[in-house]
Amino acid sequence: NAGVTQTPKFQVLKTGQSMTLQCAQDMNHNSMYWYRQDPGMGLRLIYYSASEGTTDKGEVPNGYNVSRLNKREFSLRLESAAPSQTSVYFCASSQTGGADYGYTFGSGTRLTVV
Amino acid sequence: QKEVEQNSGPLSVPEGAIASLNCTYSDRGSQSFFWYRQYSGKSPELIMFIYSNGDKEDGRFTAQLNKASQYVSLLIRDSQPSDSATYLCAVIRGGSYIPTFGRGTSLIVHP
Repeated sequence: NAGVTQTPKFQVLKTGQSMTLQCAQDMNHNSMYWYRQDPGMGLRLIYYSASEGTTDKGEVPNGYNVSRLNKREFSLRLESAAPSQTSVYFCASSQTGGADYGYTFGSGTRLTVV
Repeated sequence: QKEVEQNSGPLSVPEGAIASLNCTYSDRGSQSFFWYRQYSGKSPELIMFIYSNGDKEDGRFTAQLNKASQYVSLLIRDSQPSDSATYLCAVIRGGSYIPTFGRGTSLIVHP
């Protein structure tokens, strides 16, 4: 049982380059999320998807786009990377509508933009 | 005022002691409360959730919720060095399913 799988685990980009972070879950969860975590800032929500076919902005969406490809997969794209996007990115999933809204997180992507 | 507040720590306790981690929240309509553990360099892991006032126990962990005072606590009994981590509090307001995370409390359990 893999849970939530993120790729890549590490990435270095030059300013202006683009890349896509991939996330897939095998728990049949409806909802998926992208967070970034910076020292002293905690976890901040970038985008989320309540269900297949829907996406919504979170707290810090600027500079990012997302695609909910199907129920399993939710990708995050940086079109033109900036040093301010250097961070650790976590994908998460949860079942909505039930009593337990807890998240399962992926292992994270450490992104450095130089 | 931040929506979810935690003392950043570090909280240092000796092995075998009770570690008490606290979290306060500002929205009185909040209904669901979670504790996550995050080891250095790893992703957060859900360890407890609580919805009703009072205590909820799971092994060495006890979550305590007081909605009137707007705080939720996590007690770790018989603390072990392996409990050394950052503990994140997360709160979901009524009508939502998106949690607001606190910035976490660093716990150090020393032998």
